[in-house]
Amino acid sequence: GAVVSQHPSRVICKSGTSVKIECRSLDFQATTMFWYRQFPKKSLMLMATSNEGSKATYEQGVEKDKFLINHASLTLSTLTVTSAHPEDSSFYICSASRQGGGNQPQHFGDGTRLSIL
Amino acid sequence: SQQGEEDPQALSIQEGENATMNCSYKTSINNLQWYRQNSGRGLVHLILIRSNEREKHSGRLRVTLDTSKKSSSLLITASRAADTASYFCATVDQGAQKLVFGQGTRLTINP
Repeated sequence: GAVVSQHPSRVICKSGTSVKIECRSLDFQATTMFWYRQFPKKSLMLMATSNEGSKATYEQGVEKDKFLINHASLTLSTLTVTSAHPEDSSFYICSASRQGGGNQPQHFGDGTRLSIL
Repeated sequence: SQQGEEDPQALSIQEGENATMNCSYKTSINNLQWYRQNSGRGLVHLILIRSNEREKHSGRLRVTLDTSKKSSSLLITASRAADTASYFCATVDQGAQKLVFGQGTRLTINP
């Protein structure tokens, strides 16, 4: 069964709305989680690394104030798209690994399809 | 940033045939991983191969890694319609945690 749960799976909202996406590790603690963005028929682009108890590390070109990340517990990271506009419409996916580090596979959530009208 | 190229970008074969996908990368890696993504879903981990390994098998999957050429291949034998999906390679650099994905291969298995 799923080990990483992501909610909601689909969001449709008006321009200017802020949208929060949750990523939960179900049966393990994750000090690090990752947030990706994926455009149709394209690959995954890493947006940021979410670190429990500290600030997220954002990739170059990703606006920190636009995409707020909070990792307040060892099983939950949230991504908030603030004042969303149509260009923010995309497929957002999170991932986490059981033991952290780079030598373990990542477990992915099922993604959130965000549509801004 | 994207790590490198996957080849081919799209592949369509008949059920029962073998499918081979290739991946190239540019950096010194700790490991390379292959993932599958069904349309509109998250990614599913297939195989992780470390930089000191050359070949790995899992069921109908065979992965090779050539660090001198900075390339990897994924072979799916005796393909099935359910194998239809996008396949991505992803690398983890030495000392890093994050995955850097290739462009992906869209595989279609025709019944």
